[in-house]
Amino acid sequence: KAGVTQTPRYLIKTRGQQVTLSCSPISGHRSVSWYQQTPGQGLQFLFEYFSETQRNKGNFPGRFSGRQFSNSRSEMNVSTLELGDSALYLCASSFGRSSYEQYFGPGTRLTVT
Amino acid sequence: KNEVEQSPQNLTAQEGEFITINCSYSVGISALHWLQQHPGGGIVSLFMLSSGKKKHGRLIATINIQEKHSSLHITASHPRDSAVYICAVRSGGATNKLIFGTGTLLAVQP
Repeated sequence: KAGVTQTPRYLIKTRGQQVTLSCSPISGHRSVSWYQQTPGQGLQFLFEYFSETQRNKGNFPGRFSGRQFSNSRSEMNVSTLELGDSALYLCASSFGRSSYEQYFGPGTRLTVT
Repeated sequence: KNEVEQSPQNLTAQEGEFITINCSYSVGISALHWLQQHPGGGIVSLFMLSSGKKKHGRLIATINIQEKHSSLHITASHPRDSAVYICAVRSGGATNKLIFGTGTLLAVQP
């Protein structure tokens, strides 16, 4: 089975712009979660989608949003980018929610200048 | 105080040594994950456990639910084990999200 894929892998944006990141889960997985990783804050939960519905959201401003499509692929969007949004954005997929193993993608490294 | 605490933060070992990384948490959980992250970012899930002990090759993970504590052991460590090891707990109930520890940077020297 192909692993979790994320596109693009690297992205440079300017403050104030918006960005959309994409995540394709492992075939058959219906849950996709997004995480932000920064040197200062470590790994933090952004949101979780299951069956096209957002099930949970972390403590991030409304500029961060996402969605999941019927094929389980997910996108996350960040509007009005700030310098502090520079981070590695990881998505992970699992077959179901709760006690299922998570499989991580390689991440998208976003740099905001 | 962080909900998930790991120790030590940094660890240097000689090849062949037995290594232990500890994780304590303060929230109710449905599962605990041990993750490995190599330079460059990729994260690999090593274990997911909710009770007892699991073993995979030279890696052993244990959890004590009553004491809210888990350990990751690496036997006969090797330089290729050098990575950041991250403990993450899945909070129970309605929140159901992963909460991460700050990670343990392990360097195994030949």
